[in-house]
Amino acid sequence: AQSVSQHNHHVILSEAASLELGCNYSYGGTVNLFWYVQYPGQHLQLLLKYFSGDPLVKGIKGFEAEFIKSKFSFNLRKPSVQWSDTAEYFCAVNAGNNRKLIWGLGTSLAVNP
Amino acid sequence: EAGVTQSPTHLIKTRGQQATLRCSPISGHTSVYWYQQALGLGLQFLLWYDEGEERNRGNFPPRFSGRQFPNYSSELNVNALELEDSALYLCASSPRGGGNTEAFFGQGTRLTVV
Repeated sequence: AQSVSQHNHHVILSEAASLELGCNYSYGGTVNLFWYVQYPGQHLQLLLKYFSGDPLVKGIKGFEAEFIKSKFSFNLRKPSVQWSDTAEYFCAVNAGNNRKLIWGLGTSLAVNP
Repeated sequence: EAGVTQSPTHLIKTRGQQATLRCSPISGHTSVYWYQQALGLGLQFLLWYDEGEERNRGNFPPRFSGRQFPNYSSELNVNALELEDSALYLCASSPRGGGNTEAFFGQGTRLTVV
């Protein structure tokens, strides 16, 4: 069965620190990959996505993610976090055209000012 | 442009009752998805509706059902409520078309079963 693993459940950083959140999936075929973010009190919104092409994807607010097919990974990165990045981050994978997104459990990021 | 709207925002029911949750997609979107976000379990896919038909279903019992109306809005019904059904229920919508498109989420309905 398809699954998505997010290795870090809770991350605490100071402002200006670098961020990397891990995401691994289990599916051998073609995948579409997403990172969603949920800021406190707000709804889930798309951060970035990968469908094909350049495996290094740039998203909003300075985030980027790299698809490494051989490692079944799609890690999220940001070189310098801000207090406003405090949120819950979810990795999701869609394999095939069944529109069934498989979600990781999420990573709670707290950035201290 | 209005986003995905869900109602009610909070719902309290007793065990054994039925709950009905509603979702209005973004104008022009034909696909509606339902997810359950339970504490400690993350987001679990429930249902996908497109063009009025159920296209895919997650691993939930039949007492979780729904429908999509001609205007593409959708209802999620949960019968014979159990305490474990307490969760945030999220609705998302996406445009028509094949391939894989971004889903836009609503704020959710917080269902509490007592």
